[in-house]
Amino acid sequence: AQSVTQLGSHVSVSEGALVLLRCNYSSSVPPYLFWYVQYPNQGLQLLLKYTTGATLVKGINGFEAEFKKSETSFHLTKPSAHMSDAAEYFCAVSGNAGNMLTFGGGTRLMVKP
Amino acid sequence: GAGVSQTPSNKVTEKGKYVELRCDPISGHTALYWYRQSLGQGPEFLIYFQGTGAADDSGLPNDRFFAVRPEGSVSTLKIQRTERGDSAVYLCASSSTGTGGETQYFGPGTRLLVL
Repeated sequence: AQSVTQLGSHVSVSEGALVLLRCNYSSSVPPYLFWYVQYPNQGLQLLLKYTTGATLVKGINGFEAEFKKSETSFHLTKPSAHMSDAAEYFCAVSGNAGNMLTFGGGTRLMVKP
Repeated sequence: GAGVSQTPSNKVTEKGKYVELRCDPISGHTALYWYRQSLGQGPEFLIYFQGTGAADDSGLPNDRFFAVRPEGSVSTLKIQRTERGDSAVYLCASSSTGTGGETQYFGPGTRLLVL
């Protein structure tokens, strides 16, 4: 069984500040980890993913995440928030046959001017 | 190229009615997934198709829910005797082969409201 916990359903940062969205997972098999972003009334868009290899993964729009096996974490960061980053962010894990995704509950990021 | 499309974008129905939701995956993708997203929550897995067959339907909540993919491309999610609790956004995703770690590409969803 797999599960994902996203700490903080709402995160508010000032424009230009560091963005840190937390994700912890549980998996009985080596995990594949994903971050998706959802803008209002739009579908989910992949930001980045970890499969194998380098544990620091860079994605689109300046986001990156680091896979830490010892901490079972895959936190998402961005050095400087933009107003356009305001959206809902979902962490997900797969690893079972068929690659079905198990999502966390989501974190709504608000960016203040 | 064209992404995943879903129709209708919105569907309002009355309790007890039957509804069909359609998903058009990316051309050539053999893996197709249905998820359900309730308000304020993350998507939850419903069913996974590999080609024409349902490889995993463990997420379907009960026997009122059924999905088909007869020709290995378009899929239809069917809900019988709808209940108010079925109200949610139904998301479809596809990926190339269904191999672990592959990116799933999501459609915009169908927002279902059961009155």
